[in-house]
Formats: sequence, C-alpha cells, structure tokens
Amino acid sequence: QKEVEQNSGPLSVPEGAIASLNCTYSDRGSQSFFWYRQYSGKSPELIMFIYSNGDKEDGRFTAQLNKASQYVSLLIRDSQPSDSATYLCAVNLYTGGFKTIFGAGTRLFVKA
Amino acid sequence: NAGVMQNPRHLVRRRGQEARLRCSPVKGHSHVYWYRQLPEEGLKFMVYLQKENIIDESGMPKERFSAEFPKEGPSILRIQQVVRGDSAAYFCASSPGQGAEAFFGQGTRLTVV
Repeated sequence: QKEVEQNSGPLSVPEGAIASLNCTYSDRGSQSFFWYRQYSGKSPELIMFIYSNGDKEDGRFTAQLNKASQYVSLLIRDSQPSDSATYLCAVNLYTGGFKTIFGAGTRLFVKA
Repeated sequence: NAGVMQNPRHLVRRRGQEARLRCSPVKGHSHVYWYRQLPEEGLKFMVYLQKENIIDESGMPKERFSAEFPKEGPSILRIQQVVRGDSAAYFCASSPGQGAEAFFGQGTRLTVV
C-alpha cells in the first residue's frame, strides 16, 4: 500500500461547481497534512494545512481531516478555470524525524 | 522576504559528469527536503536534512547521489556520473520545524545529454 494515495484523475467540474479532492494515507501516526497546488511546469504551492480532525476553511478552500479513517480531503467552492492544476496531498511521517511524503496528485480541470 | 532559492534553474550535463544543485532555504528555516519529479508524475521524496545532519535519506539512490546542509551556506544535492535517467526536475523545500508546512523553491531542471 502506498503511503499517500490519491485518485490521479483527471477530475473535471464546471465553473462555479464544488470540486472535491480526496486522499488516504497509511500511517496512523501521521500528524500533519497539507494540500499543495502545482501548475504545469511550476513548483508546488501550499494551499492549506490541517493538524486536527474536522474542517478548516480558508476562503474558497476547505480541508477536512478524519484520522480514524485516515482520510483527508480538499473542497474547492465556486471553482474557477484558474483552479485547473494538479493538487498534491502531503503527509508528515515520523521516521526519526518528520518527513513529508506526497501523493501522486489529482489533476483538476474546471470548464468555463 | 526571499523564499526558497534554487540554482541553477536549468542545468545540462553530459553523461558521466557531475551535477551540483543548490538550495538556500527561507531565512530562519533549518529543515530542508529534496524531491525529484519526472514529467506527469508526483514528487518523490529523496532526503530530509537539518543543519549539519541527514535525518532521512531513504529516498536517495545508494550510489552517485549525496546531499549536505552545512552550518553555513546552502544545501547541496550532488549527483555524480550522471545518466540519462537522472533527467528530472529537482525541488527543494524548507520548513521552520518538524511537522511544519514546507515551502518550495522553483526547482532545478536537470537534463542529461
């Protein structure tokens, strides 16, 4: 089982809709969870981080964490064509010091 | 307010040469990560360093690759005797502490010809 798993997509949603991106992780000891956005040919950009169970909202973005189910998601409300990118889920694992492992990413297309 | 600085942005090496990639973390950050990314693929963890220490190098190939983060100066990822399969984008990220969010540099695109 991969340490961090995401559906590769592509996920296609119409402009104005809610995009829902999902991620599961294997290590129950993980404590920090991150969502990054990466445009083609660019470096990853941090969107959200979440440490506690529940929801965390920042503008149009909501991160949801369920440690019991080892599941973290990202909701994007009122999706815009500029949101079209690859979204990377990242999880901190402890191996003598925390290291951050990334999922393979989900490609999102927002159709105008 | 400088972010993570990587140089060079693009590097071309012939097979058998050495590639040296540099990363200056955000000021005050003492934790550095290196990742490799192939086209259309995710980020593969290579190594995690703190100042003067390698914390986790489980993602680094055993041969030809090495990394350091000295007390003074940037972190260096060194690839000796490069092969075509080393061609990729190499990203560095830094964070202020364990478990904290990491910020990425613009990457170094290595091409081996």
